[in-house]
Amino acid sequence: QTVVTQEPSFSVSPGGTVTLTCGLSSGSVSTSYYPSWYQQTPGQAPRALIYTTNSRSSGVPDRFSGSILGSKAALTITGAQADDESDYYCLLYMGSGFWVFGGGTKLTVL
Amino acid sequence: EVQLLESGGGLVQPGGSLRLSCAASGFTFSTYAMSWVRQAPGKGLEWVSGISGSGDTTYYADSVKGRFTISRDNTKNTLYLQINSLRAEDTAVYYCARDRGRVTAAPDYWGQGTLVTVSS
Repeated sequence: QTVVTQEPSFSVSPGGTVTLTCGLSSGSVSTSYYPSWYQQTPGQAPRALIYTTNSRSSGVPDRFSGSILGSKAALTITGAQADDESDYYCLLYMGSGFWVFGGGTKLTVL
Repeated sequence: EVQLLESGGGLVQPGGSLRLSCAASGFTFSTYAMSWVRQAPGKGLEWVSGISGSGDTTYYADSVKGRFTISRDNTKNTLYLQINSLRAEDTAVYYCARDRGRVTAAPDYWGQGTLVTVSS
C-alpha cells in the first residue's frame, strides 16, 4: 500500500520562506495526483489552501503557493507569519475515487 | 455562505453502531460530491469515504469498507455516514466536507466535526 510522506516537523523564522513536501513511498507525485494542501490549527477544522497542485482556495493569501518539485508536491510559504504556525496536510488522489492524506507537518514559526 | 453541520457523534460500545449526519446549506447540495474525513485524537487526517452528487457512486477507504455506509438525501440537503461494528480505533472526530466537483475531488469546505468515542 502506497504511503503519502511528509516531513513530521519544520521550523521557519518570521518573515522567512519554507517549503513543505509531499511524496510517495513508491513512485513520484505528479499533477495526475491532483495534490492539495490543508492547514489545521489545534481544535479547528482543516482549511483548504491549495488544490490541483497550484490553485489557491478563495481567500488564501498569495504567500502560499503550490508546485511540483522533482518527485514531490510542494507547499511554499513566503514571508512566514506567527499565525502560520499550524499543521499542514497534503492530500493525493490515488484513482478510482480514493484519496489519501499525508501524515502532516507541524510547522513552527520562531 | 457554505455551512456544514455534523451531528450524531457520541459514546458507543465496541461492536455498536452509529449514524452521523451532516446538514448542508449555502450551496446547491446535489451538484457537489461530499466526503467524510476523520481524525483520531492527536493523529492526522484520514479520508474515509466519498459520494457523488447524485449519490449513485460511493467510495471507501480499505480501513472501513464493509462497515461504513455513506449516503445522502438531496431533498433534505443532508449527508450521512452509517458506522457499524465499531472498534476502538474508530474513535475520532468525523468531519463532513464538500468536494470541489460533482463526482470526486479534493474537499474545499469543512464542518466543525462530531466526536465518536468507542469504549466500553
